[in-house]
Amino acid sequence: EDQVTQSPEALRLQEGESSSLNCSYTVSGLRGLFWYRQDPGKGPEFLFTLYSAGEEKEKERLKATLTKKESFLHITAPKPEDSATYLCAVGGNFNKFYFGSGTKLNVKP
Amino acid sequence: EAGVAQSPRYKIIEKRQSVAFWCNPISGHATLYWYQQILGQGPKLLIQFQNNGVVDDSQLPKDRFSAERLKGVDSTLKIQPAKLEDSAVYLCASSFSGSNTEAFFGQGTRLTVV
Repeated sequence: EDQVTQSPEALRLQEGESSSLNCSYTVSGLRGLFWYRQDPGKGPEFLFTLYSAGEEKEKERLKATLTKKESFLHITAPKPEDSATYLCAVGGNFNKFYFGSGTKLNVKP
Repeated sequence: EAGVAQSPRYKIIEKRQSVAFWCNPISGHATLYWYQQILGQGPKLLIQFQNNGVVDDSQLPKDRFSAERLKGVDSTLKIQPAKLEDSAVYLCASSFSGSNTEAFFGQGTRLTVV
């Protein structure tokens, strides 16, 4: 069964304390892996697309990486404004698009 | 480039009433998704259109939910009759060509059923 699992469910960091979020997946025919940021009361905001194992993408303090079974979102020296829920989604066969349940990140000053 | 537009932003109805949500996707996007997001959970796909055809509606409660995408552009999602457990945010998203391209989301409609 196709599945996307994110961990941890919640993460509290001090400002400047780097960490990583995990997205593991079992999907038939990976067509793309996508990271989103969601702020309270808003729709998910697109961050990155990864297509093949070994691929990496960066944007400011965020870096996404992909292996054959999982993806990591690395957050370097986070700031309070990075606090949000980070969602992982996977595109599979038959055009299906699955989301994980998200990691709620709280960065304290 | 204009984003995905949804309306209304908020809706409060009583159980057993009906409600409709509207979505206008990004121009040129062939794929349109409707998701239900319950507080604290990830989005759950309800229905996916490719142009004006349904690709996946396996998780749509068809006894009460319906959706259409006229002329392959705008879409409406209807609930009739609503139940208390339908209280959630309903998100519309669109992508250029399916699950190999990123989807862009609207702001969502927050539905409260009382």
